[in-house]
Amino acid sequence: GQQLNQSPQSMFIQEGEDVSMNCTSSSIFNTWLWYKQDPGEGPVLLIALYKAGELTSNGRLTAQFGITRKDSFLNISASIPSDVGIYFCAGLILNTGTASKLTFGTGTRLQVTL
Amino acid sequence: EPEVTQTPSHQVTQMGQEVILRCVPISNHLYFYWYRQILGQKVEFLVSFYNNEISEKSEIFDDQFSVERPDGSNFTLKIRSTKLEDSAMYFCASRLSDRQYTQYFGPGTRLTVL
Repeated sequence: GQQLNQSPQSMFIQEGEDVSMNCTSSSIFNTWLWYKQDPGEGPVLLIALYKAGELTSNGRLTAQFGITRKDSFLNISASIPSDVGIYFCAGLILNTGTASKLTFGTGTRLQVTL
Repeated sequence: EPEVTQTPSHQVTQMGQEVILRCVPISNHLYFYWYRQILGQKVEFLVSFYNNEISEKSEIFDDQFSVERPDGSNFTLKIRSTKLEDSAMYFCASRLSDRQYTQYFGPGTRLTVL
């Protein structure tokens, strides 16, 4: 099956620092989504990317859909303590006539120190 | 803002018992999903549902699993005879339409099989 590998697996950063994480795949995806998951809760959508090369921002978050369609990155600028959590990328292949499942990445655990 | 809701938040059951996990997707959404996440691991696709039938299912979704949309609002996942390895967080998600690919997740049900 498709595998999405995220790096780094985990990172400790200081408040105010910028964060960068990425997601790579051996398969092509039509859509990339980035989710954040807090402990014991469901994934919350951060950013959706629909076109190769697309660069999209949502507040302090910026994400890009790689030209090859096999990767994506997420940047967080000026991190704050509430950015703590696990960040998942998810890829989607659009198949006509199906509901198009999400394939999730392995996750990047972010911890922010004061 | 509309959201996906799930009940119960935590379910404890004995091995071999049947459990039903309930979800209320966002109203007017047409596509419904179940995912699961074993503790510390990534989110995995189980099944998708559209137009009152299963659209796609993963290898995990064997004969012990079933889904149903008994009325216009609920979407349920039944596990007929639970196993220890079924212990996980189960997330329901819904998606609006063919042209909107973003899936919105519920807060999850933590299933513990003893």
